[in-house]
Amino acid sequence: AQSVAQPEDQVNVAEGNPLTVKCTYSVSGNPYLFWYVQYPNRGLQFLLKYITGDNLVKGSYGFEAEFNKSQTSFHLKKPSALVSDSALYFCAFTSGGSYIPTFGRGTSLIVHP
Amino acid sequence: DADVTQTPRNRITKTGKRIMLECSQTKGHDRMYWYRQDPGLGLRLIYYSFDVKDINKGEISDGYSVSRQAQAKFSLSLESAIPNQTALYFCATSDQQGSSTDTQYFGPGTRLTVL
Repeated sequence: AQSVAQPEDQVNVAEGNPLTVKCTYSVSGNPYLFWYVQYPNRGLQFLLKYITGDNLVKGSYGFEAEFNKSQTSFHLKKPSALVSDSALYFCAFTSGGSYIPTFGRGTSLIVHP
Repeated sequence: DADVTQTPRNRITKTGKRIMLECSQTKGHDRMYWYRQDPGLGLRLIYYSFDVKDINKGEISDGYSVSRQAQAKFSLSLESAIPNQTALYFCATSDQQGSSTDTQYFGPGTRLTVL
């Protein structure tokens, strides 16, 4: 079955340090990959997506993600974490013919002051 | 997001009660979705609708029903609530392009507790 995996339930990082939230995928054909963020007591918000072309995708709030076909990964990164980045992050995918994303289980990012 | 609103935001009910969760959107999108979020399980799709006359079951539709009253309104009903339906429920809409690359736009969620 096609899926995305977020191997870490929680990521802890100090403010000012780089952060990485991991996502790997198992999708036949060409995947379309997404990152969403959920701040406390809020709905999910779109951050960025990979469709085709440049493997490095830039998104909102200074986040970026790199599509790596050989490693089947789409890790979310930010050069310098902020306390306000603390939230729940979801990786998701669709593939050709599927209009509805399948979400990973989410990773809680905690940025310590 | 204000473009997608959900009512109520919080609800506590008892086992066996019928409850309706409502979703309205001003984005003008044809496609609407209901998801359920449980800790450690991510989001799971309950029902989706690609237009007013189109309703489709998702991954976990048992125990739920929906009504698409208009392009802007999509309601989720629990006919006889049970405790394992305690969860955070999200409504979402998606872009007009109607492709696999569409972005989804989520409401703020309804926290439902079934006692």
